[in-house]
Amino acid sequence: EPEVTQTPSHQVTQMGQEVILRCVPISNHLYFYWYRQILGQKVEFLVSFYNNEISEKSEIFDDQFSVERPDGSNFTLKIRSTKLEDSAMYFCASSPRTSGSKETQYFGPGTRLLVL
Amino acid sequence: SQKIEQNSEALNIQEGKTATLTCNYTNYSPAYLQWYRQDPGRGPVFLLLIRENEKEKRKERLKVTFDTTLKQSLFHITASQPADSATYLCALPYSSASKIIFGSGTRLSIRP
Repeated sequence: EPEVTQTPSHQVTQMGQEVILRCVPISNHLYFYWYRQILGQKVEFLVSFYNNEISEKSEIFDDQFSVERPDGSNFTLKIRSTKLEDSAMYFCASSPRTSGSKETQYFGPGTRLLVL
Repeated sequence: SQKIEQNSEALNIQEGKTATLTCNYTNYSPAYLQWYRQDPGRGPVFLLLIRENEKEKRKERLKVTFDTTLKQSLFHITASQPADSATYLCALPYSSASKIIFGSGTRLSIRP
């Protein structure tokens, strides 16, 4: 069964450094998302992406964050200057094209980001 | 502002019994509601979606109800098994399918 994949599984970085988290959504999906989950807290929406542009973003998704679909398969989340509070698990998700099923989101295994 | 509440942080029940989890929401009129399962250190896994015009949905041992008057969904696992132990998340679209808001989850433990 097709799966969303994410790399790396773990990332440790110094405060102020840039990080890029990578995702390969399921191949025939057209809607892409990033979420984060701080340890012990709820899954929080960051951004959704469709047709090569951002559809929605949350208050968390400020100017330090950006997303890109650089080619036909990858979907990336960049944090320009990481802060301690960016430490979290970051999940990528994708959903299919058809209107009856686009609500179902398929999540990747996550990237655990630790900012020191 | 919109709020989603799941009834308890943790629920501990005996194997074979029915587990019932609650999701309440306020200041919302969602077109649908979803339930996901999350295991420790893993991403959420979609289980069921129920639309506002559906009262009940079933999938194997899972049953979901959706009461738009009470603004509540109940999630049932019948004949529970230790393998059902996980955190269960309720999720609602904020304004469209492009933005999903998750509840904080209920951690379910099924003891043998």
